[in-house]
Amino acid sequence: DAGVIQSPRHEVTEMGQEVTLRCKPISGHDYLFWYRQTMMRGLELLIYFNNNVPIDDSGMPEDRFSAKMPNASFSTLKIQPSEPRDSAVYFCASSFGPYNEQFFGPGTRLTVL
Amino acid sequence: SQQGEEDPQALSIQEGENATMNCSYKTSINNLQWYRQNSGRGLVHLILIRSNEREKHSGRLRVTLDTSKKSSSLLITASRAADTASYFCASRRGNNDMRFGAGTRLTVKP
Repeated sequence: DAGVIQSPRHEVTEMGQEVTLRCKPISGHDYLFWYRQTMMRGLELLIYFNNNVPIDDSGMPEDRFSAKMPNASFSTLKIQPSEPRDSAVYFCASSFGPYNEQFFGPGTRLTVL
Repeated sequence: SQQGEEDPQALSIQEGENATMNCSYKTSINNLQWYRQNSGRGLVHLILIRSNEREKHSGRLRVTLDTSKKSSSLLITASRAADTASYFCASRRGNNDMRFGAGTRLTVKP
């Protein structure tokens, strides 16, 4: 298995633009997590899914953020409109079962100018 | 609020020395996990210790858990320059979400 795949690896955009981050979890994993990492706030859980259903989105900072998981092999995190304070590294992770280790993707480094 | 607060925030040691990092958490947990992150990379799982376990070993890693003090420690023995990374503890609560601490930045000098 190639592990968790994220795209793009780097994204530079201008304030106000829509940004879509993509994630392909490890096949067979039933949990998918989106995290955001910044120097100031560390690693924050934004939202997680179980069997494609959003379970907890309390970490999503604002209505500008939305996430979907249309099927077991694909998820998106969308920011519309983007703002400079959204600049961060966004990680996707997946796991099998509720309490097991999470496997992280390489992350998407987002810069909003 | 963030669960899992590591200390120290930064640790610098010589190759061959042992490195100890501590983690405290606030609420009851199912398990506690330690992860490593190399600069510019995603996190990699190191070890998981369940709430009913007190100590666990994996190669040069030794993790302890004290649920009465809500704390855990990660010991890396005979450190190597390749161990240079940030180390995070993550506490897993009953509703399955996992909270990460701010991490300990470990530097191992050759």
